[in-house]
Amino acid sequence: SYVLSQPPSVSVAPGETATITCGGDDIGSYDVHWYQQSPGQAPVLVLFSNAVRPSGIPERFSGSRSWNTATLTISSAEAGDEADYYCQVWDRHSDHRAFGGGTKLTVL
Amino acid sequence: QVQLVESGGGVVQPGRSLRLSCAASGFSLSVSEIHWVRQSADKGMEWVTFLSYDGQTKDYAESVKGRFTISRDSFKNTVYLQISGLRAEDTGVYYCATLGDGDALDKWGRGTRVTVSS
Repeated sequence: SYVLSQPPSVSVAPGETATITCGGDDIGSYDVHWYQQSPGQAPVLVLFSNAVRPSGIPERFSGSRSWNTATLTISSAEAGDEADYYCQVWDRHSDHRAFGGGTKLTVL
Repeated sequence: QVQLVESGGGVVQPGRSLRLSCAASGFSLSVSEIHWVRQSADKGMEWVTFLSYDGQTKDYAESVKGRFTISRDSFKNTVYLQISGLRAEDTGVYYCATLGDGDALDKWGRGTRVTVSS
């Protein structure tokens, strides 16, 4: 199965830019989606197809992708951005969805 | 209001069965592809299964194949996940979600917790 690697935790000061990475073999050829999950809550889609924001997601959330890393960038980080973030792709080899292990974002 | 609501979780002994429900409101499941994703402390977020919008296509993660069955009742606008032969590793929170733009999971329920323990 396709493996997605995320750092367990990232810290950022309020107002600064947070960067969360998602590594995978040839991930540059996959569409990557990002989800935000606050404690005790359901995941919320914050980016789909690498960099597209669903309605209601602030412009502070952006995404990019290189050949082996996808990146979620949160600019002007706020306390309300503290959450776990997961990347996800459709693994075309298994025809199944694969998730990264998640990154806990701390805003302090 | 568009929402998904899961139910049916609980504490179950190993080897027993359980049926989880995912009830939709504000939209029809008959035009939506539905996925189940589970989350546990040790395995993180794990995709489990999906059912196509027309109910004709389904697939399962290898870890649940042969034990989990996804189905739908269009009149009740509800998708079910029948789980048999429960194992300790099936413990977790089970979410249903719809497939949206870009093939991302765009709407999620709040989940239902399954604990497999003797």
